[in-house]
This record gives sequence, C-alpha cells and structure tokens, in this order.
Amino acid sequence: DQQVKQNSPSLSVQEGRISILNCDYTNSMFDYFLWYKKYPAEGPTFLISISSIKDKNEDGRFTVFLNKSAKHLSLHIVPSQPGDSAVYFCAARAAGNKLTFGGGTRVLVKP
Amino acid sequence: NAGVTQTPKFQVLKTGQSMTLQCAQDMNHNSMYWYRQDPGMGLRLIYYSASEGTTDKGEVPNGYNVSRLNKREFSLRLESAAPSQTSVYFCASSDRGWDKNIQYFGAGTRLSVL
Repeated sequence: DQQVKQNSPSLSVQEGRISILNCDYTNSMFDYFLWYKKYPAEGPTFLISISSIKDKNEDGRFTVFLNKSAKHLSLHIVPSQPGDSAVYFCAARAAGNKLTFGGGTRVLVKP
Repeated sequence: NAGVTQTPKFQVLKTGQSMTLQCAQDMNHNSMYWYRQDPGMGLRLIYYSASEGTTDKGEVPNGYNVSRLNKREFSLRLESAAPSQTSVYFCASSDRGWDKNIQYFGAGTRLSVL
C-alpha cells in the first residue's frame, strides 16, 4: 500500500512553459513534505519543502502547494528549462524523520 | 566538499555471495539511512540509524543487515545475495531536529545479482 503516490510517471513540456507535478498521500500523520530532483547516475538532491502548517512555499522558479484536506501537493516549475529535465520525487515525513517517497515523475523539457 | 560518499559505485554478485556496501558522511550528521530504488517504486527505506549506536528497520529490511560503525560511517551488508536484491542503493544522512528534515544522498551503488 503506497502511502505516497505520483500518478504521472512522465511529463513532457516545452521550454519556457509551466511544469506541474502532482503527488497524493494517504497518511494524515505526515507533517512535512519535500521534493527531490534526480539526474541519471546521481543521488537525489533536495529541491524544496513545505510544512503541513503552510499551503504554499516558493523558491525562485519552484513553488510547492499543499492541500491538506485533499491530501495533495504539487510542484510548479516556471519557466521550465532544459536543465530541469530529471526525475522528481515527492517525499513525506513521518515520525523519526523517516521519509516515504513517491514513485517519481520523469520530466522532459524540450528546447 | 564530499558530503555522502558510497563505495563501490557498481557491483555484480552471484546468487549466494555476500558483500558490504560502505557509506560515509562528513557533515557531522546524527542520522543515516539506506534506501533501495527500483523502477516505479521510488526509494524505499531499508534501515536507518537515528544516532550513533542505534539502528532500526525500515520498510524493506529482509535480507539485509547494517552497522553504524561510528558517527561518520553506516554500512549495509547482504549476507546471501538474491536476484531480488538487484537494485540501486542509496545512502543518506540528515541532522536531527524538527526543522532539520532534509536528507542528503550519496551517488548510489548499482548492484546486480545474477
């Protein structure tokens, strides 16, 4: 039973347009959410996070939105750049700072 | 600025062989983690160590053992490798505290069990 799901395995977007990645969770005890970016042959790198007491967090071109009632979060990348092509994982924190990851969404930004 | 270092980067084993994956961090973090990544499954926690001297099971611990050798090092051992353990293994570390949730990852070890 996957507690964190990313239902879109892939996403293709034109350079300069918006990329929207979605993530759903089932465990209401999650209190912190993170997005990681992963290039091939590298480890995941932290991108942006949001606490469950907020509904939006912005960092440059990246914005994460949290809808607690729907148990849904999304990552917006505006504008998308070719260097953003990577796999993106959402993760949720439970007790003990353990993270539960979604299955990932592969983003391809076309020049 | 090494961060989290994993060795080896690649390994091929035959079924039944044993091996140890090494992980070291230089960020003075208290907590360390081992994950495996399989296609479509994201990263799944195998074991973690909240602090030096403690280890706990994660989501998929069967077939693995760990040792927190000191604050810097956290190793993962496969005693008798099976083809189902073919995967990419990532080590991560983090500080402790409610506001210190970010885990920093190594580059991974790609393991094939034949």
